[in-house]
Formats: sequence, structure tokens, C-alpha cells
Amino acid sequence: EVRLVESGGGLVKPGGSLRLSCEASGLTFSSYAMSWVRQVPGKGLEWVSGISGSGNIRHYAESVKGRFTISRDNSKNTLDLQMNSLGVDDTAVYYCTKDRARAFDVWGQGTVVSVSS
Amino acid sequence: DIQVTQSPSSLSASVGDRVTITCQASQDISDHLNWYQQKPGKAPQLLIYDASILERGAPSRFSGSYSGTHFNFTVSSVQPEDFATYYCQQFQNLPRMCIFGQGTRLENK
Repeated sequence: EVRLVESGGGLVKPGGSLRLSCEASGLTFSSYAMSWVRQVPGKGLEWVSGISGSGNIRHYAESVKGRFTISRDNSKNTLDLQMNSLGVDDTAVYYCTKDRARAFDVWGQGTVVSVSS
Repeated sequence: DIQVTQSPSSLSASVGDRVTITCQASQDISDHLNWYQQKPGKAPQLLIYDASILERGAPSRFSGSYSGTHFNFTVSSVQPEDFATYYCQQFQNLPRMCIFGQGTRLENK
């Protein structure tokens, strides 16, 4: 069974930084692209960033470009999201997802990021 | 950029009803549209991919179809566990990005 477990969420002040991690198990991690998707409480889903299986291709939503950096360590089966210059609009539940072609077929349970003074 | 418009935003139904949710793409995306179910406090779950293919393990009462840029998601006979929010999702290649629909909340009438 494929399992994704996020960690690293918490409360941070505006302008601060946070690093999210996702630990994957039950799959050949390097074979799959991965993504981060977020959801403001009570609102819809927003794709944040994606990375290829090898890690050499990365994509970002315009809303986070230049502030967030996605990375992966295929030797440790981990996916990270470094978030800098955080604003209140970044408050959300952040989900780690496994990509399959053009869909997200496995999701983690999510980690909560709160940006507040 | 491709836009995706999902409707309705909410829908009331009774157990046993047939319901349909739609997503309209702003340009041709072939069959590159997926559907997810999300229950409160839980992560979304993939139900339909490539417009009409049922994800393994998803109940057969869920189905998807499309014609041109118009996509439908249908629940043939709503069950109590189907009251949830549903999202469509599309991936575009140039530029590489993902778009979710606005969501449809299916409520018990």
C-alpha cells in the first residue's frame, strides 16, 4: 500500500519560513512525479508545485513562484517544500500527492500551515 | 491559460437520486480531466481519470463522460456515503500547471 505522511506544518509569522516534508512508502519513489496541493480551510483546492521523478524538472503556481522551492531525496523517499516569505494567504492545509500521468492518485493526510502575527 | 468552470457550486439530493456535475474547459483539453471526492477533514480521493475511466476501487455508480470541452460527472444512485464535495481537475502542459474546479458540494435534501 502506498502511503504518504506529511510533517513540518505549524504557526509562523508573516515573512517567516517553514519547511514541509513528505515521507513516502510502498512505492518505487523515484519512478513517480510528486506534487504539493493546498487548501485554505473551507475553500477549494490549489495546486502549488510539482517535481519530476528524477527531481530535475520543477513547476510552480504563479502564487508561490520565487518564494517556494520543491525538492526530493530519492535515497530517502522524501519530498520537501521550502516556503519563504510566507503571507497570511499561504495559510492552508498542505497535501503531498503522488502523480500518475495527469492525476493525483495518492494523497497524504495533510499538514496545517498557519501564518499569523 | 486554460480555465475550468465547475457547476453547480452546490446540489441537494436524496438517497437514490441521479445527479450530474459539469466542468467546462475554456479550450480543447482532449480527455485530460479528472474527478475527486473530498469528505470533511479528509484528503481528496481520485474517482475518475482521463474523463471517463473509473479509478480502481471506486464504486461503479460513479461515471464520467465528455463531449468537446464539456465534461460530466454522474452519480447514478446517490448513497449516504456520497454526500461530499466533488472537484474536477485538469493538467496543462504548456505552461505546466494544474487547475482545479471550484468544487460542488453534494448535500442531503
